[in-house]
Formats: sequence, C-alpha cells, structure tokens
Amino acid sequence: AQSVTQLGSHVSVSEGALVLLRCNYSSSVPPYLFWYVQYPNQGLQLLLKYTSAATLVKGINGFEAEFKKSETSFHLTKPSAHMSDAAEYFCAVSEKSMRFGAGTRLTVKP
Amino acid sequence: DTAVSQTPKYLVTQMGNDKSIKCEQNLGHDTMYWYKQDSKKFLKIMFSYNNKELIINETVPNRFSPKSPDKAHLNLHINSLELGDSAVYFCASSREGADNSPLHFGNGTRLTVT
Repeated sequence: AQSVTQLGSHVSVSEGALVLLRCNYSSSVPPYLFWYVQYPNQGLQLLLKYTSAATLVKGINGFEAEFKKSETSFHLTKPSAHMSDAAEYFCAVSEKSMRFGAGTRLTVKP
Repeated sequence: DTAVSQTPKYLVTQMGNDKSIKCEQNLGHDTMYWYKQDSKKFLKIMFSYNNKELIINETVPNRFSPKSPDKAHLNLHINSLELGDSAVYFCASSREGADNSPLHFGNGTRLTVT
C-alpha cells in the first residue's frame, strides 16, 4: 500500500523566513499526493494536491509543493512565513482511501 | 452554509456507555468517511461509505457501528465505550471516492471517556 512519511514532527521558523516541510512517499505507481493544514480545534483543509498535471503545484495561502519522482518527495514550501501559518500540516496519499503522514507542527516566531 | 457538520463538538462520558456522533454534508458528495485522530495528531481512517454502502472498514472494533441513512449522512455509534476510545473523530466527504478527490472535513468531535 502507498504511504507517506513526514520528516520532522516540529518545525520552527521566524516570521518572514522560508518554510520547508518535508514529505516522502512510497508508491509503485504515480501517486495522488496532497497537503492539508489543520488549525487548532478545526478539521483539515486542503492546501494543494498533485495529480501529475504539473510537478510544481501552487496552493492556497502562498504555499507550493514540488513533486520529485527521483527523490520520491513532495515537500511543501512557502517563501515567507506569517504568524497565521502556525498550524499542523499533513501530507497524504490517496489510493482507495486517503492516508496521512504523522503531521508536522509549524511554529512561527515573531 | 457549513459543508460538513458534525455534532456534538464535545462529548464527555463514562466507560461502558453508548454514544452517537452525527455527520451531515451538503456538498452533494457520494462518499463519506470517519477518521480517528489520537492525542499525537495521528489520523487513521475507520470507515468509508459510498452512496450508503460500506466500502472500507479498517480493523475497527465491532463496538463501532457506522450508519448511513442516505448519502448526505453518516453517523457513528459506539457501544461500551472504553478509555482508549478517547480521541477526536472527524467526518469527511469526497466526490465518488475518486483517488484524486480531496477530502472535506468537519470540525471534529472530541470524545473523552472517563
């Protein structure tokens, strides 16, 4: 079965700094990959999804992710962190059902 | 105009009790899900229904019984609650269960079993 692994359970950046959240996938076929964000006491919201149309995927709130087959990676980036980006971020792969990574908590320092 | 709504938001109960969580979606989606999120934020799928039919049942104890009266509703009934059932339960929906369809989540039900 397909799966994703998120490297780093907690990432801390300063406001205005680059955000990089790492996700690696394991799949024998081209995967459908997603990034979701979860704010406190809320459900998950879709940030972006990869469906093989383009390797660089742009999402909401200035986030983007690049699909790299050679590295089996789908890392999430944002050039400049904002305080409102502080949340839990989940990478996910979909094969008959959506399966999530363990999550990465992003903290943004003023 | 909430897309996926679940009730109640909080549920505190004692061991051995039976409780239900309700979920409704107004997105016109055919597929609905229940996920369990533990204290470490790990999300695990429990059930998936497509147009009222059970599609996925992920090794969940049979104390948990989902019921889908129509494709817009998926309720979760839990019998004989145990301490380990304490978690946040999320309902979600998607178009026809297609692999490239994102999930739309409710805001969760925090279940605390004492």
